Order: sequence, then C-alpha cells, then structure tokens
Amino acid sequence: GQQLNQSPQSMFIQEGEDVSMNCTSSSIFNTWLWYKQEPGEGPVLLIALYKAGELTSNGRLTAQFGITRKDSFLNISASIPSDVGIYFCAGRPGWDDKIIFGKGTRLHILP
Amino acid sequence: DGGITQSPKYLFRKEGQNVTLSCEQNLNHDAMYWYRQDPGQGLRLIYYSQIVNDFQKGDIAEGYSVSREKKESFPLTVTSAQKNPTAFYLCASSEDSHQPQHFGDGTRLSIL
Repeated sequence: GQQLNQSPQSMFIQEGEDVSMNCTSSSIFNTWLWYKQEPGEGPVLLIALYKAGELTSNGRLTAQFGITRKDSFLNISASIPSDVGIYFCAGRPGWDDKIIFGKGTRLHILP
Repeated sequence: DGGITQSPKYLFRKEGQNVTLSCEQNLNHDAMYWYRQDPGQGLRLIYYSQIVNDFQKGDIAEGYSVSREKKESFPLTVTSAQKNPTAFYLCASSEDSHQPQHFGDGTRLSIL
C-alpha cells in the first residue's frame, strides 16, 4: 500500500533553534495534515493543507504543501521546551481515500 | 466541553478474554475511527465508520470488532483472536470522511 516517508525519525536541538521536518510520498496527495502528539495523549491537529504550494502558519509553526503534491514540510521557529513531542504528517491521496500517517518525527530539546 | 472521550485510560486483559474500549464524541461528527499505535510506528487503521449503523475494516481489522449503533459512540472490542493486543489505541472523529480527524487521549491496553 501507499506509504509516507517522514524524516528525520528524531531530532535533538537546542532551545531557540529552528526546526525543519518533511514528509514524502511516491504518489500525489490532495491533502496534507500535521499533528503533534505528547506522551500519553492523542495527536492534536496543527495545520491542514489542501492546495499545492499552500503555505500556512499557526503561531511559530509553518507548513507547506509541496508543489509536486508529493511532499510537505513543517517548520518550527525559535523552539521552546513545550515543543517536545512526536510530530506526525498525514496525507490523503484522493478525495475519497483514507488518511495515511507517517511514522513520526520525535523532537527533543536540549536545555 | 466538546470533544472525544476514551475510557478507560489504562486497561489490563488476561489472555483469552475479550475487552471493550469506549469512545464517545459530542462533536456531532459523522465519521469515527479506531487506530492502533505501537512504539516507533505510525498510526494503523483498525476500523472506521462513516455513518451510523455502518462500518468498514481498516488495514489491521483481524481480531477486532466494532459497532456504531449511535452517532456519538464507536466502541472497539479486542477479541481473544488478537494475538498481540498490547498497544496504545486511539479513537478519532471527523465531520465527515473528507475532513481532518480529531483524536481522543487514547487507551493503553496491556496483557497480564
């Protein structure tokens, strides 16, 4: 079946640094979603993207729908300790298709 | 508060037993979903329901069963046929099957 490749698997950064992660697929998608999951909780929707090239911000988070429709990027500016967690990308290949989830990027922030 | 409520937070099962995980939403969403999450893995879809009294198998339905008798409720039963049930189970809902999903806080199931 279709898969999403999310990278990196984990990141260790200093507080205050910017973060960038991405998600790629072998086929085109028409929806990209980014979620954050904290330990022991369910994922929380951060940003939803519906058009190729779309760039959307949510506070210090910015996500983009790649123009090839095969990738998406999430950037976090000026990281803070509460940004720690697992970030999942998710995508929908076609309008009637089920959402597919990546395996997540685990973000660690060093003091 | 509007949202998705999963209970219990932690559940222990003896081998050979069936257990049922509860998921209730008061968001008036038509679609509901069950996922399984294992360490280091993404979310894998077990079952989903686009409307009351209807549900479909996801990618890993074997050993699980669901019902959708009411719009707000989508319970998941982990049967004794599921040989490796230890996992974190997440329920989600969306306005319809085309909209982003919103998740509950999960139930962690362990085998005694």
